[in-house]
Amino acid sequence: NAGVTQTPKFQVLKTGQSMTLQCAQDMNHEYMSWYRQDPGMGLRLIHYSVGAGITDQGEVPNGYNVSRSTTEDFPLRLLSAAPSQTSVYFCASSKDTATNEKLFFGSGTQLSVL
Amino acid sequence: GESVGLHLPTLSVQEGDNSIINCAYSNSASDYFIWYKQESGKGPQFIIDIRSNMDKRQGQRVTVLLNKTVKHLSLQIAATQPGDSAVYFCAEITGSYIPTFGRGTSLIVHP
Repeated sequence: NAGVTQTPKFQVLKTGQSMTLQCAQDMNHEYMSWYRQDPGMGLRLIHYSVGAGITDQGEVPNGYNVSRSTTEDFPLRLLSAAPSQTSVYFCASSKDTATNEKLFFGSGTQLSVL
Repeated sequence: GESVGLHLPTLSVQEGDNSIINCAYSNSASDYFIWYKQESGKGPQFIIDIRSNMDKRQGQRVTVLLNKTVKHLSLQIAATQPGDSAVYFCAEITGSYIPTFGRGTSLIVHP
């Protein structure tokens, strides 16, 4: 299994541009989530999904959209990028919410918004 | 609101020493506490967890201690190795099943 795969690894955007961060897992996990990591701030939850067709907001959802059309994929969309969205983004998954104590993380996407 | 915090942002140890990383939490209703390790340029990786009805749990070279009286969690790493150098996060899960992460402690192991 490849685990959790995130693409791209690095991205530079200009303010106002849009883009999609991709996340895919091949472990048949029901639960998927997106975090952003800023220096000294730890991991903050953006959006999460408990299964295909179901998404919900986390702690910092503003400026981001998600969808979950399949079990495997959970893309994160930035509709109009802002400098405040410069961060490292991590996708994480688990078998289901009952096993959320053990999340599997991707290797991250480093995003810079100029 | 509830939060998970860390006492020390950076911990430096000599190779072979034991390391203790501390974490304070404030939500007495948390069901699980978890430790993650994040190496440079990588995503966090699960190390060990402990349920709220336990005081101690041991893994390979790691031990997690939970003191519910003072709401304190610690990760002990025995015989610390250079490969243990990383940022360590504690996290807690309440009934909402959403993990809440602390800010992290950087462990530096000197050879």
